[in-house]
Amino acid sequence: DSGVTQTPKHLITATGQRVTLRCSPRSGDLSVYWYQQSLDQGLQFLIQYYNGEERAKGNILERFSAQQFPDLHSELNLSSLELGDSALYFCASSVSDSPIDLNYGYTFGSGTRLTVV
Amino acid sequence: ILNVEQSPQSLHVQEGDSTNFTCSFPSSNFYALHWYRWETAKSPEALFVMTLNGDEKKKGRISATLNTKEGYSYLYIKGSQPEDSATYLCASPKTSYDKVIFGPGTSLSVIP
Repeated sequence: DSGVTQTPKHLITATGQRVTLRCSPRSGDLSVYWYQQSLDQGLQFLIQYYNGEERAKGNILERFSAQQFPDLHSELNLSSLELGDSALYFCASSVSDSPIDLNYGYTFGSGTRLTVV
Repeated sequence: ILNVEQSPQSLHVQEGDSTNFTCSFPSSNFYALHWYRWETAKSPEALFVMTLNGDEKKKGRISATLNTKEGYSYLYIKGSQPEDSATYLCASPKTSYDKVIFGPGTSLSVIP
């Protein structure tokens, strides 16, 4: 157990639907990152939050949104789902918002596998 | 755009062989280099964070070196074991306060 909790582990939903993926960071970590891994693709950065504030945005679709709550857990909302949104969504956390300060890098959760049918 | 490249894309070695692979990144504006191991059906696990030119890090049979002037890092595995089979990712940020961008990974298979 890495200390980063992602729920649900698996999700199957129909096109056009909306889903919410949840992430609880490791205790003490303030930064949360969301990454997407589609078939045959590497880890693609979606969005980063630090202590409740959005810090960076990658190529995240307008249909996707996220937030980090006061208790530091984060949710990734995916709406108007399309078949191409099927992927493994990872959440990672770190104590700092700087990748230089980290002794051990990011801590990843086990991921949510989303299947859109 | 920050391009983090890795080579080779995949590698098959016999148990007991030592192996190494490369991560390339732009040498200008370097801030940090992360290495991760990603086993099938699991999540990526951090191995090393390297920040200084000439850095060498070691964890068991795995070690890494960093050359920021020429923009590369090597990951070495000594005496590969089947449990070393995984995809090895490197990642680097564009700025000192930016998320890391991951390379495509090197997939290592160790044949018993």
